[in-house]
Order: sequence, then C-alpha cells, then structure tokens
Amino acid sequence: AQTVTQSQPEMSVQEAETVTLSCTYDTSESDYYLFWYKQPPSRQMILVIRQEAYKQQNATENRFSVNFQKAAKSFSLKISDSQLGDAAMYFCAYKASNTGKLIFGQGTTLQVKP
Amino acid sequence: EAQVTQNPRYLITVTGKKLTVTCSQNMNHEYMSWYRQDPGLGLRQIYYSMNVEVTDKGDVPEGYKVSRKEKRNFPLILESPSPNQTSLYFCASGDREGYGYTFGSGTRLTVV
Repeated sequence: AQTVTQSQPEMSVQEAETVTLSCTYDTSESDYYLFWYKQPPSRQMILVIRQEAYKQQNATENRFSVNFQKAAKSFSLKISDSQLGDAAMYFCAYKASNTGKLIFGQGTTLQVKP
Repeated sequence: EAQVTQNPRYLITVTGKKLTVTCSQNMNHEYMSWYRQDPGLGLRQIYYSMNVEVTDKGDVPEGYKVSRKEKRNFPLILESPSPNQTSLYFCASGDREGYGYTFGSGTRLTVV
C-alpha cells in the first residue's frame, strides 16, 4: 500500500529566511504525481505545487520549489524568503496515475517568526 | 468561478440521527472524493469516485455511504452518526491529468 510520511510535526522559520519541509513516500508504481497543499487557519486546502514523477526537473512556483528524489522516494518543499502569510499547515500528498486515490501525510505546521 | 461547494459548513447533531453533507463541483471533473481530517492524522480518504455510478472505498469507509448519480454531485451520508465521526470533512474533485484536487471549504461535524 502507498504511504506518505512527514516526519516534522512542527517547523519554524524567521521571516525572509528559507525553510525546507520533508516528505517521503512509498509506492511500487512508476507513474504518479506528488503535491504540496497549504492549509492556513481558514482551513481551506490550497494547492501549492505539483510534480509529475516522470519529469526529472524539479517543479518551481515563485518562492516555492521542490527537491524530488525519485529513487529515494523523497519530495521536500523549500520555501524561500518566508513571509508571515506562509504560516500554515503543509501537507504532502501522493496520487498514482489513473486513480482517484489521493494519499496525504500527517502534515507539518509551519510557524513564521517576524 | 471554478469551485467545489459543500454544505453545511458547520453541523451539530445527535447520535443516530441520519445526515447528509452535500458536495457539488462545476469543473466537469471525473474524480470526486471525501476526506476527514483529525489532529495528528492528516487527511484520510473515506470514499472516492472515478466517474458516475463508480465509487470505491478509501481508507476509512466504515459508517459512511456515498453515491454518484450525477457527475457534479457526490453527497456523503452518515446513516447513524456516532461521536467518533466528529471531525472536519472535506469534499474534493479532480481530473485525470493529475493537476491535483480542488477542495471545498470543509464541514465541521460534531456528533453528541
């Protein structure tokens, strides 16, 4: 069975600094997608970034980038120039191609200090 | 505006009283899914549907029912709610291309 693990329940970062959130996953599939979702206190789930497993190039969206290591089954999120609005819970998620099953990790709460 | 609409946002009910949480999407997505979120456990999938009349169990389906009679709607039914179903529930929809799921605003359910 596929699993997603986020080993950091909480992280903190100083405003304007860089922070990396970790995620590992387990799967026997070769074709899949990986995601990072942000959940601010409003509880809305917001898609931050996605990665297609067949693409070797790491995805980037403005200040957010990933380090995708397929062989190691690792998918970390780097937030550069952290802002107060980045404070939220972040979830890593996995979805095999051609399935409706999206599997989440336990989440990491990110605190941004002014 | 592309969105997933779920109702109600808040619900307090008593043990055993049947309830339905509605979910509707306007993006013509094939996939729809229900999740529950509990502290320390992340989001766990209850049921998902890959198309009309096609539903599959997720990781925590016990005590829940779903139906997908139309592409846009995917209601979650609790026939006999119990206190351990007190949780934050999310509906989500997505497409085959793996662009991620779009989530509704969540339903905070309390069963007393």
